[in-house]
Amino acid sequence: DADVTQTPRNRITKTGKRIMLECSQTKGHDRMYWYRQDPGLGLRLIYYSFDVKDINKGEISDGYSVSRQAQAKFSLSLESAIPNQTALYFCATSDGDSLNTEAFFGQGTRLTVV
Amino acid sequence: AQKVTQAQTEISVVEKEDVTLDCVYETRDTTYYLFWYKQPPSGELVFLIRRNSFDEQNEISGRYSWNFQKSTSSFNFTITASQVVDSAVYFCALSEAITGNQFYFGTGTSLTVIP
Repeated sequence: DADVTQTPRNRITKTGKRIMLECSQTKGHDRMYWYRQDPGLGLRLIYYSFDVKDINKGEISDGYSVSRQAQAKFSLSLESAIPNQTALYFCATSDGDSLNTEAFFGQGTRLTVV
Repeated sequence: AQKVTQAQTEISVVEKEDVTLDCVYETRDTTYYLFWYKQPPSGELVFLIRRNSFDEQNEISGRYSWNFQKSTSSFNFTITASQVVDSAVYFCALSEAITGNQFYFGTGTSLTVIP
């Protein structure tokens, strides 16, 4: 089983619909992140959380919200999806006790808003 | 301002050629970390290497090598004798202690190795 699991893996939704992307991890990491990937733009940070009571906006948080339900779970919501939110979304974790650590990524969720 | 710049958007090489992927970073922190990730066509992000700001030694792992130069704020990645399986998008990333270890990614370099 993957250490960082995202559900769903693929989703097509209609404009205006609310959608939630879920992420769970078994690595025991405190830090969790949501990124979106668009062609030519790399990975851009949407939200991040350094522990259960800590939520921070990233570079492109408008139109998104998050919930850190537990150390292992970090959900991303699009309250009213729009077509330019069509992208590949990644959840990631890292070990907050050590700065010398890489980010561990989920498999990604490909979201299409029509 | 972009903290990590990967100026090469796309590169094509013929199999067995060597190729270098450039990465230039910007930080005012003295403690920071640099990373390279590979994203093959299947889409997952595969961690390749981590380097901290206090260790400028170059590293070689098989056909892969990394050249870290603080003087030019660069962390370049070289693939020797490229293979078709090296075709992927490669991302360079920066993590700074001063910003609590957020990860900043470059825009990626798409490498195509032609058989």
